Amino acid sequence: ETGVTQTPRHLVMGMTNKKSLKCEQHLGHNAMYWYKQSAKKPLELMFVYSLEERVENNSVPSRFSPECPNSSHLFLHLHTLQPEDSALYLCASSQVLYVNTEAFFGQGTRLTVV
Amino acid sequence: GQQVMQIPQYQHVQEGEDFTTYCNSSTTLSNIQWYKQRPGGHPVFLIQLVKSGEVKKQKRLTFQFGEAKKNSSLHITATQTTDVGTYFCARTGGTSYGKLTFGQGTILTVHP
Repeated sequence: ETGVTQTPRHLVMGMTNKKSLKCEQHLGHNAMYWYKQSAKKPLELMFVYSLEERVENNSVPSRFSPECPNSSHLFLHLHTLQPEDSALYLCASSQVLYVNTEAFFGQGTRLTVV
Repeated sequence: GQQVMQIPQYQHVQEGEDFTTYCNSSTTLSNIQWYKQRPGGHPVFLIQLVKSGEVKKQKRLTFQFGEAKKNSSLHITATQTTDVGTYFCARTGGTSYGKLTFGQGTILTVHP
């Protein structure tokens, strides 16, 4: 138990579906992140939020839409995905931005787009 | 750029053998972090190195930061089957945000 909880753990969706991934952290952290982990690729940073404000968007396609309603919750809304979007989506949090602190990861959502 | 290159990509060892993974950067690193991801799991923070030439130990794991702060290594002595997984190095953002940029990872397999 890392203090970062992601749901669902597994998700299969069609290319025309709309779904959302949820992340909740119980650590009192101010920064939250979405990472994508594909086979044989490094972890790719997608979005960064600090105190509910998006501070970075790494050229992610618009079919991925993040939402951070408060510092404890982070969502990733998905629509009209492609099969190549199948991957493990990891949420992480850290105490603050602008300081080199460790990241705590959730267990991830294994997404399969069919 | 801001990438860190990690080698080797794969390593198979017999239980009891040593293991080392290397992380290299073309630019000076402010610090380096190491993470372990067990099969089917998520990355877990191991350690952060900050100072030039720093060496830190955690039981059988030894972490080093190069004098020029452009490379780092993780060495495991006498591997055990519980050491299997992927080991990642990660650099924090060169400008701001505490952003982590991960290396490709080294997948370690330990044969009993």
